[in-house]
Amino acid sequence: EAQVTQNPRYLITVTGKKLTVTCSQNMNHEYMSWYRQDPGLGLRQIYYSMNVEVTDKGDVPEGYKVSRKEKRNFPLILESPSPNQTSLYFCASSPLRVRSYNSPLHFGNGTRLTVT
Amino acid sequence: AQSVTQLDSQVPVFEEAPVELRCNYSSSVSVYLFWYVQYPNQGLQLLLKYLSGSTLVKGINGFEAEFNKSQTSFHLRKPSVHISDTAEYFCAVSRRRALTFGSGTRLQVQP
Repeated sequence: EAQVTQNPRYLITVTGKKLTVTCSQNMNHEYMSWYRQDPGLGLRQIYYSMNVEVTDKGDVPEGYKVSRKEKRNFPLILESPSPNQTSLYFCASSPLRVRSYNSPLHFGNGTRLTVT
Repeated sequence: AQSVTQLDSQVPVFEEAPVELRCNYSSSVSVYLFWYVQYPNQGLQLLLKYLSGSTLVKGINGFEAEFNKSQTSFHLRKPSVHISDTAEYFCAVSRRRALTFGSGTRLQVQP
């Protein structure tokens, strides 16, 4: 089954304790992205990757890191989490079209992170 | 820069009634338009998309949307909703590498 898998689904941690949220897709998609969802703000892009070893900042990258060493995986790293990073996080992927970004995204089921 | 405005944060409606969820965007160039749906405790799923061609786009689950370039709108409609349509709906606009989401509209279908 084609899917984007995020782990864990729920995570409670304390300020400053490094954590990683994993994301894996089995559709051979070039494009992967991380979003955070907050009430009243919709989804905001954190980082995205156009292919292996190619990553770039989205709208809200501060406090986050990513890596893309393999095509299927795109982990999100919080080196020193803070309470304002409490949010619902989504990983998404899509094939990369040459002309423009018009390929629909496939989303994971989300990771609810609480930082106390 | 582009932006997306979803005019209603919540829309309550009775089962079998019609519904319209409004979306306006701002962009000085051509864009692609999407509607996504998010059911409780799930990720977003694509409902429909407008890339080019006919301005009336049909999606899954009986939803449709109309692209209106002069009004920069992409409103989502369904003639008769079901309880199972209760979810949050997001309008999104893309141009090149940037995909911008609206703040979402929560559709609450009541029996």
